[in-house]
Amino acid sequence: RKEVEQDPGPFNVPEGATVAFNCTYSNSASQSFFWYRQDCRKEPKLLMSVYSSGNEDGRFTAQLNRASQYISLLIRDSKLSDSATYLCVVYIVGTYKYIFGTGTRLKVLA
Amino acid sequence: DTEVTQTPKHLVMGMTNKKSLKCEQHMGHRAMYWYKQKAKKPPELMFVYSYEKLSINESVPSRFSPECPNSSLLNLHLHALQPEDSALYLCASSQETTDTQYFGPGTRLTVL
Repeated sequence: RKEVEQDPGPFNVPEGATVAFNCTYSNSASQSFFWYRQDCRKEPKLLMSVYSSGNEDGRFTAQLNRASQYISLLIRDSKLSDSATYLCVVYIVGTYKYIFGTGTRLKVLA
Repeated sequence: DTEVTQTPKHLVMGMTNKKSLKCEQHMGHRAMYWYKQKAKKPPELMFVYSYEKLSINESVPSRFSPECPNSSLLNLHLHALQPEDSALYLCASSQETTDTQYFGPGTRLTVL
């Protein structure tokens, strides 16, 4: 079983739709959680950190469920510019390592 | 400012060449990282430096040799690479190893 798992997609959604991605992790020692966005042939860019209480940044909402060991990302009112790959990233305490999921590809269609 | 810079942007090299990739950050971050990313795959960790000391080497072949001359700079020396080493090489930094990582734009490497 992979340490961090994501549905690779692609998720094809119309503009204005709401879309949600989940990510599961297997190591209960996981300490920090992040969503990164990566455009084709570009570097990953931090979208948001994920906090235990959940957090929101504009159209984006992230949730963490430690009991079930998953995090989620909700995008409301999708824009064409949201088309990208969304990477779930988990930091495991004491390892110095960030573990990346395989990424979920989103295409927002006009 | 959360900028990490990398040079060169693109590099084409033969299997007998020696080249170096450079990474720089001026955010006062004490942890720096090298990742390798193949197309449609997530980044794979290669090396971690913490306070200018190598903390992690993810069993990377010796043809890749990292160097951290000071807290702002990270190099990756390349020698006798193979075509399968062609990839996007990403540098990242974070305040400490437990903090958010910020990535540079990467060097796209092609080995002929």
